[in-house]
Amino acid sequence: EDKVVQSPLSLVVHEGDTVTLNCSYEVTNFRSLLWYKQEKKAPTFLFMLTSSGIEKKSGRLSSILDKKELFSILNITATQTGDSAVYLCAVEVLIQGAQKLVFGQGTRLTINP
Amino acid sequence: KAGVTQTPRYLIKTRGQQVTLSCSPISGHRSVSWYQQTPGQGLQFLFEYFSETQRNKGNFPGRFSGRQFSNSRSEMNVSTLELGDSALYLCASSLTGPFYEQYFGPGTRLTVT
Repeated sequence: EDKVVQSPLSLVVHEGDTVTLNCSYEVTNFRSLLWYKQEKKAPTFLFMLTSSGIEKKSGRLSSILDKKELFSILNITATQTGDSAVYLCAVEVLIQGAQKLVFGQGTRLTINP
Repeated sequence: KAGVTQTPRYLIKTRGQQVTLSCSPISGHRSVSWYQQTPGQGLQFLFEYFSETQRNKGNFPGRFSGRQFSNSRSEMNVSTLELGDSALYLCASSLTGPFYEQYFGPGTRLTVT
């Protein structure tokens, strides 16, 4: 069974800290890995990663994928209270010609002022 | 441009009934995906429609169905509702999909009593 595991499940840091969120996966037919930020209801797309070792960056957020060790990390530098959210990792898999997403449990990040 | 809209936002149904949820994608987006989010199971992919055809499907029973119209609007139907169907149902749209740069709607909160 395809599985995506995120760690930690919960993290509390102070504003200005740097955080690293982890996502490991065990899937049969990997196509890509995606990161989302969910603040209240609607998740927001952050990154899609398909190749190992190529960092994707957007402002203070960056992410990298390691397809050999089957994991990805999401880094947030100089955190702000607005970064408080649940961060979701999902892996796109191909099963019998159809694509589907398998989500991790999410990491709840709280940034204290 | 207008975002993804979902109607209704909240819904209460009785076990055994059926329900139809609606999703209007961002103008020009042809891919619409549906997701179920519960505290126990997290976020799960239901299916994806593109140009009025179901292109991808998750692991949900046949009670969950959908369709897409020529204007890309999509509906999701759940028949013979069970208590476990209580969830936040999210739809997301993208230009070509299925998962790259998706924009999510605010969700429909379904409660089954």
